[in-house]
Amino acid sequence: EIVLTQSPGTLSLSPGERATLSCRASQSVSNNFLAWYQQKPGQAPRLLIYGASNRATGIPDRFSGSASGTDFTLTISRLEPEDFAVYYCQQYAASRTFGQGTKVEIK
Amino acid sequence: QVQLVQSGPELKKPGTSVKVSCKASGYTFTTYAINWVRQAPEQGLEWMGWINMYTGNPMYTEGFTGRYVFSLDTSVSTAYLQITSLTAEDTAVYYCARHYCSGGVCSDFDIWGQGTLVTVSS
Repeated sequence: EIVLTQSPGTLSLSPGERATLSCRASQSVSNNFLAWYQQKPGQAPRLLIYGASNRATGIPDRFSGSASGTDFTLTISRLEPEDFAVYYCQQYAASRTFGQGTKVEIK
Repeated sequence: QVQLVQSGPELKKPGTSVKVSCKASGYTFTTYAINWVRQAPEQGLEWMGWINMYTGNPMYTEGFTGRYVFSLDTSVSTAYLQITSLTAEDTAVYYCARHYCSGGVCSDFDIWGQGTLVTVSS
């Protein structure tokens, strides 16, 4: 099973700042089949990024994803008030697993 | 509009069963598989498994075997999750989500249901 480890657990930032979230895989994720989801309180997760770096339909371009080996990064270039949420990575190359999540909170 | 609409919240007593529904609309139901994801209170997302829309065969992940049943009714474009012998540890929000497979390669979860809260309490 591919284990995904997200860091940090919580990120405290102000609106307008840049957020950098990490997701490290325990082994190679073939074809970079890694997705990022955003979840706000009381809501279902929403797909942001698929294939490590492709924005899903309707996702603003302040969200970007990248990959380097087994390290994946979600970057939010300038935080908007609606971006404060929990973010999960998921690999879908070998079965499915989720990371434990990173909470982006208002500083 | 492509959407998955789940049934409403459930309050159940320990030892009983629950059946959660997930109705698809806006797309051809059998084109996408349906996954089930559990989220316990204040916890992360756990993938429970999925059901193949063509064969109706379910696949359960470790930890979600025995008391869990995934099923389909293609005539009404609806997938179901049934959990038997409920305990307090089953209290969670359960989500359905779809993925697409082509040539043996399957996708991310692009559409999610709104979630169904199942509360198990005496």
